[in-house]
Amino acid sequence: DGGITQSPKYLFRKEGQNVTLSCEQNLNHDAMYWYRQDPGQGLRLIYYSQIVNDFQKGDIAEGYSVSREKKESFPLTVTSAQKNPTAFYLCASSKLQGGSYNAQFFGPGTRLTVL
Amino acid sequence: GESVGLHLPTLSVQEGDNSIINCAYSNSASDYFIWYKQESGKGPQFIIDIRSNMDKRQGQRVTVLLNKTVKHLSLQIAATQPGDSAVYFCAENTGGYNKLIFGAGTRLAVHP
Repeated sequence: DGGITQSPKYLFRKEGQNVTLSCEQNLNHDAMYWYRQDPGQGLRLIYYSQIVNDFQKGDIAEGYSVSREKKESFPLTVTSAQKNPTAFYLCASSKLQGGSYNAQFFGPGTRLTVL
Repeated sequence: GESVGLHLPTLSVQEGDNSIINCAYSNSASDYFIWYKQESGKGPQFIIDIRSNMDKRQGQRVTVLLNKTVKHLSLQIAATQPGDSAVYFCAENTGGYNKLIFGAGTRLAVHP
């Protein structure tokens, strides 16, 4: 089965803790992305990566960190510096082809709740 | 499940009717657009895309129309079914490599 997997589906964090959300894809896509979704809002970009060992900040990167050590994997760490981390987190991936844009395909999401 | 879009605009249609969901985009330089469907508690699902050199594209039961003059995008769903009930998002590429900007979404409610 080809696709994007995210784990866990639900995650609970205590105040002051760092937590890491997993994202794996077997679509052989070059680019991977992390978004945050809050009720009543569209998706907002946290970080993206076009190639292994390289990544860029999106619109709301503060309090988050990522790594891209393998093409298939793009984990997101929500640090204690993120003031309002309760949200639905979505990972996506896309092909990169010669300067033209391509659709992003999404995983099933992780719901993070701060206790 | 996850409550997506608690206060979104809602389009209510009868089963079997055609649905039209509209989206106004922000950047006249955007040249790639996508429609996604999101069911409660799930990730967005790709429906159809269109590039700016086209004004219409058809898929299975769906048609996307692009009017660059007024920066307007629409998604038409033929013979709407209960399984089409979801939140629908449009997204535009505003420049920057594959960086998408998403609209807030429209909830489609299909009634039997």
